[in-house]
Amino acid sequence: AQSVTQLDSQVPVFEEAPVELRCNYSSSVSVYLFWYVQYPNQGLQLLLKYLSGSTLVKGINGFEAEFNKSQTSFHLRKPSVHISDTAEYFCAVSDNNDMRFGAGTRLTVKP
Amino acid sequence: DAGVTQSPTHLIKTRGQQVTLRCSPKSGHDTVSWYQQALGQGPQFIFQYYEEEERQRGNFPDRFSGHQFPNYSSELNVNALLLGDSALYLCASSSPGPVNTEAFFGQGTRLTVV
Repeated sequence: AQSVTQLDSQVPVFEEAPVELRCNYSSSVSVYLFWYVQYPNQGLQLLLKYLSGSTLVKGINGFEAEFNKSQTSFHLRKPSVHISDTAEYFCAVSDNNDMRFGAGTRLTVKP
Repeated sequence: DAGVTQSPTHLIKTRGQQVTLRCSPKSGHDTVSWYQQALGQGPQFIFQYYEEEERQRGNFPDRFSGHQFPNYSSELNVNALLLGDSALYLCASSSPGPVNTEAFFGQGTRLTVV
């Protein structure tokens, strides 16, 4: 069965600093990987996804992630964060049947 | 395109009662999945419906049941509610075809059991 581990439950960072949110996954089959963002009292919005091809994936709002098969990781990065990036971020893995989420990382951007 | 819509947005029920949550998928989508998100946690997969049949199920008791209609909309039913069922219930739809490569989420239904 597939699973996702988000290595940091909370990440505080100052505005305009770079950030990395870490995600490791396990699966016995080929998978698709996703990052979603959730703002308070809202549903999940897709940031980016890896299906195949280039291991560096660019998403919305300046985020990007790199798929590393040997390390079974899919870390999310942004070179310069804004106050508006404060939210909960979820890494997810899908094997085309169902999607499994990590526990989430709370990103807090401080002025 | 209205995207994925869920109703109601908020709901308060008493222990032991039954509840029905509703979801309309994004236009063109035929697969609907339901998730339970407890406070401070990631979404947990409940089940997925495709062609009016339950295709996959997560680790949830039989008190959780669902239905998909011919227009692809879906309902989630929870019987004999427990305090621990209090959570945000999210519906997600995905496009037809052999590969479900992306799920679009609704805003969720906040269920409070008292």
